[in-house]
Amino acid sequence: GDSVTQMEGPVTLSEEAFLTINCTYTATGYPSLFWYVQYPGEGLQLLLKATKADDKGSNKGFEATYRKETTSFHLEKGSVQVSDSAVYFCALSADSGYSTLTFGKGTMLLVSP
Amino acid sequence: GAGVSQSPSNKVTEKGKDVELRCDPISGHTALYWYRQSLGQGLEFLIYFQGNSAPDKSGLPSDRFSAERTGGSVSTLTIQRTQQEDSAVYLCASSLEWGQHYGYTFGSGTRLTVV
Repeated sequence: GDSVTQMEGPVTLSEEAFLTINCTYTATGYPSLFWYVQYPGEGLQLLLKATKADDKGSNKGFEATYRKETTSFHLEKGSVQVSDSAVYFCALSADSGYSTLTFGKGTMLLVSP
Repeated sequence: GAGVSQSPSNKVTEKGKDVELRCDPISGHTALYWYRQSLGQGLEFLIYFQGNSAPDKSGLPSDRFSAERTGGSVSTLTIQRTQQEDSAVYLCASSLEWGQHYGYTFGSGTRLTVV
């Protein structure tokens, strides 16, 4: 079945450091890929998405590129802020059958001043 | 409404009691989804609705779990004879349409604690 694997956290960075959170997936066909963010005490929010190979999703300084050859969708940000501290979830939606989101287990990011 | 609303935000119940969780999706969103978030387990898909119909209920953990949606709007998730392993945050989400490319809007969740 479909699955998403994320790097385990927590990822601890200093402010202005470069961020990469790895995400790889297993799915047949051409899934859509998403990153969600969950700030402390809040619900999940859609951060960015990509719906076909080589697409780049971007939002709030975060980027992720849909790499079908490596089945990856790594999240990157050039300079993190304390306010980016949250849990980040990678997810996919299959292109066959009914399309519900399959999530990774989440990666906690902690940014210190 | 402006966002997906879930109630209650917190629920503590005794083992063996029934609980009902409510989700009010964004007005006009036809698709509605229930997930369960357990510590260290990520998000587990439970059920989704397209309109008032639930095409696939196989994600529900056991027959103690049921869900319904009425009027293409509000949904309730009912857990009968709660067990301690049911303790989790139950998340509801909605999307404008059902389909691969649509992202979801999530509510803040109901934190259920079974004691």
